[in-house]
Amino acid sequence: LAKTTQPISMDSYEGQEVNITCSHNNIATNDYITWYQQFPSQGPRFIIQGYKTKVTNEVASLFIPADRKSSTLSLPRVSLSDTAVYYCLVGDTGGYQKVTFGTGTKLQVIP
Amino acid sequence: KAGVTQTPRYLIKTRGQQVTLSCSPISGHRSVSWYQQTPGQGLQFLFEYFSETQRNKGNFPGRFSGRQFSNSRSEMNVSTLELGDSALYLCASSPVEAGELFPLGGYTFGSGTRLTVV
Repeated sequence: LAKTTQPISMDSYEGQEVNITCSHNNIATNDYITWYQQFPSQGPRFIIQGYKTKVTNEVASLFIPADRKSSTLSLPRVSLSDTAVYYCLVGDTGGYQKVTFGTGTKLQVIP
Repeated sequence: KAGVTQTPRYLIKTRGQQVTLSCSPISGHRSVSWYQQTPGQGLQFLFEYFSETQRNKGNFPGRFSGRQFSNSRSEMNVSTLELGDSALYLCASSPVEAGELFPLGGYTFGSGTRLTVV
């Protein structure tokens, strides 16, 4: 199972774009990359998922370079309500691997 | 559609007791996973059930067990509670099929059960 590494914490001002990078050097061919958001005392919430290049939805974009050894979650124009922990998860849709969440990145949005 | 429902929301137990937590997945989802979350250890995988069978298990002692019913609802049991079992216990469901574990579209988590052992 690909191990992921993320910054422990980040600060950003409201209205700025935030980029959180996740390193997954031993990602396997069949692995997808998924990002989750978690608020205190709640379960993680699915944000976005991708395999390669760029994926965009209504809340975020996910950039994956050609070698797929890292990925970047981009949150446009963050607000105070985006203050949360963000987890990067790498896994194989066809495998029986134990699902492991990393330590996550605690994003603090400052007014 | 209804999300993942976990009951109870909060629970206080005494050391040595046992506890049962319940999780109702999204309708149609056959996979249910359980996680323990603590400030020190983060989100740790407990086990995953698919169609009433445990498919995968994390590195937890045998005091932690679970089961899944024919309607996909799942229960988790912790026996002989220890202070260190105090945590947020999260359940997640996914629409994976028999040969899959990691779902396209991600997991849907419940709000969790906050267990405090005193």
